[in-house]
Amino acid sequence: EAGVTQFPSHSVIEKGQTVTLRCDPISGHDNLYWYRRVMGKEIKFLLHFVKESKQDESGMPNNRFLAERTGGTYSTLKVQPAELEDSGVYFCASSQDPYIGISSYNEQFFGPGTRLTVL
Amino acid sequence: AQSVTQPDIHITVSEGASLELRCNYSYGATPYLFWYVQSPGQGLQLLLKYFSGDTLVQGIKGFEAEFKRSQSSFNLRKPSVHWSDAAEYFCAVGPDTGRRALTFGSGTRLQVQP
Repeated sequence: EAGVTQFPSHSVIEKGQTVTLRCDPISGHDNLYWYRRVMGKEIKFLLHFVKESKQDESGMPNNRFLAERTGGTYSTLKVQPAELEDSGVYFCASSQDPYIGISSYNEQFFGPGTRLTVL
Repeated sequence: AQSVTQPDIHITVSEGASLELRCNYSYGATPYLFWYVQSPGQGLQLLLKYFSGDTLVQGIKGFEAEFKRSQSSFNLRKPSVHWSDAAEYFCAVGPDTGRRALTFGSGTRLQVQP
């Protein structure tokens, strides 16, 4: 079974440009998450999809970030326009089963990340 | 709000030596606790998790961790480190009430000396 894949693995862009990151979750996983790690800091949650719906986007830093998951399969995260502080590693994760309450938890499987550098 | 502290940014151990990576958390209820490892070029891989029950949990690759509620700690241990264990290790807690997000520590980079 293929794991979570992310594309590209690296991206270097100029400040003010647009970048789109893609995540393909494990087949059949309804839950998809985006996280970000800024240099040397902790990995921080950005948002959570259940199928195509945004379940929780409380971690999105500002309106320059737009996440979509059309059709409930792969997801894209667009940064427009990119700023220097957006540099970091963007991780995607997926898990089985829909959200059914705090007492239930399914492991999140992570992709290798996309390293974004904004110059 | 929940938080995770990994006080050691970088640890170097000799191959064959024992290892303990520290993790302290702040959480209102009984936490779900995790240790992930990231090897170069790889995604985060789950080493082990604690939900309830026995406070000493066994994971993959010979790792174990002990949940100590009184100390709000979930330290990761391995009795004998192998060169292939060189990687970055992340402790995480979650999910939070009503949310599925994991809260991570800032990571500990492990270097293994021959």
